[in-house]
Amino acid sequence: QVQLQESGPGLVKPSQTLSLTCTVSGGSMSSGAYYWSWIRQHPAKGLEWIGYIYHSGRTYYSPSLKSRVTMSLDTSNNQFSLKLHSVTAADTAVYYCARGRATNIDYWGQGTLVTVSS
Amino acid sequence: QSVLTQPPSVSGAPGQRVSISCTGSNSNFGAGYDVHWYQQLPGTAPKLLIFGNNNRPSGVPDRFSGSKSGTSASLGITGLQAEDEADYYCQSYDNSLSSFVFGGGTKVTVL
Repeated sequence: QVQLQESGPGLVKPSQTLSLTCTVSGGSMSSGAYYWSWIRQHPAKGLEWIGYIYHSGRTYYSPSLKSRVTMSLDTSNNQFSLKLHSVTAADTAVYYCARGRATNIDYWGQGTLVTVSS
Repeated sequence: QSVLTQPPSVSGAPGQRVSISCTGSNSNFGAGYDVHWYQQLPGTAPKLLIFGNNNRPSGVPDRFSGSKSGTSASLGITGLQAEDEADYYCQSYDNSLSSFVFGGGTKVTVL
């Protein structure tokens, strides 16, 4: 059974960089059949796709966040990461890491709340 | 404003059938992209409920079903149970945005 776990600071100051890591267990990240995603959910709101990265390192970012997002992969440690730069209060959300297959998400992490506040 | 439009809420009595609509456009459903559905129980992460329009992952009861036609899709729940109270999201790919997109979510209440 594949499991994903987010880790990182729960509080980030405005204008700084939000950094999260997702650790994958129970499966290899090297398969070309999957891609590795970040999705967020604002408080009491719906889901927003941030982007995803393939095992090759190729990335796709949401057009609305593209200028501030960087994703990377560390297959040797079964981890992938998200950096969101120049954050504001509007970036306060629960951030999920997830595994994608075809055009859907088949496994999700439990999510981590990140609050942007001084 | 979500690219995929869902009703904010639907409700039904135990045992009844409810349906959740998801309206898209020619740049997502109409372009042939599949619809997928997720169930989010209170305080938990979303879980894949239906993939590829009408396929259930292992372990999902056959009370849940999905369909897609043209630029619309729907999720049906038959034999509604108290444990089905949750938020439900549709999801697809949009080629005009070059991005995966979600519906705004529908809260299902069991009366």
